[in-house]
Amino acid sequence: GAGVSQSPSNKVTEKGKDVELRCDPISGHTALYWYRQSLGQGLEFLIYFQGNSAPDKSGLPSDRFSAERTGGSVSTLTIQRTQQEDSAVYLCASSLDYREGDEQYFGPGTRLTVT
Amino acid sequence: AQKVTQAQTEISVVEKEDVTLDCVYETRDTTYYLFWYKQPPSGELVFLIRRNSFDEQNEISGRYSWNFQKSTSSFNFTITASQVVDSAVYFCALFIQGAQKLVFGQGTRLTINP
Repeated sequence: GAGVSQSPSNKVTEKGKDVELRCDPISGHTALYWYRQSLGQGLEFLIYFQGNSAPDKSGLPSDRFSAERTGGSVSTLTIQRTQQEDSAVYLCASSLDYREGDEQYFGPGTRLTVT
Repeated sequence: AQKVTQAQTEISVVEKEDVTLDCVYETRDTTYYLFWYKQPPSGELVFLIRRNSFDEQNEISGRYSWNFQKSTSSFNFTITASQVVDSAVYFCALFIQGAQKLVFGQGTRLTINP
């Protein structure tokens, strides 16, 4: 079956603009996760969803970041007023369930460059 | 602290050599889960293995094997008879229950030279 898909694969934006990153999880997976990967910070967790709910948003780097998930499927990560330090690869993952460390399957990522 | 340490930043070996990637973790949980992921040059993280804290049996999958030792908080990964296609960055990760997140080590860049 299809894996996790993300769009766009690459995004170049000017500082101060808003961007939306999309994630389409594996069908039937109830849990969805966002991470980002940058040279300086490695792989860092941002937020997870169980169904449409995100119980803990403390991993988001600032209040410019928000995420939502609708219909228990597609998720959108929005970054407002982008800054150069937001440049990174944003990775989405999904798992069958959020409990007990079910293996997370990752998408190809969106490479965001803020100029 | 709950964290993962991969002390080896880069490893370079000649094809057919065996290579071991080290992973040391810290957690206060009694139940926890450990993972290894591979990130080839294409960039996509590929799941390799999941191990829970109650299962200390070593696992072998083809040329890959994993040695889990709770006494030393280590979960090391060995590739036997390495091949050029094994070249990638390998990440060890710890699943944090409650926070429902993976905490990754810094990764080990493995280069297999022909």
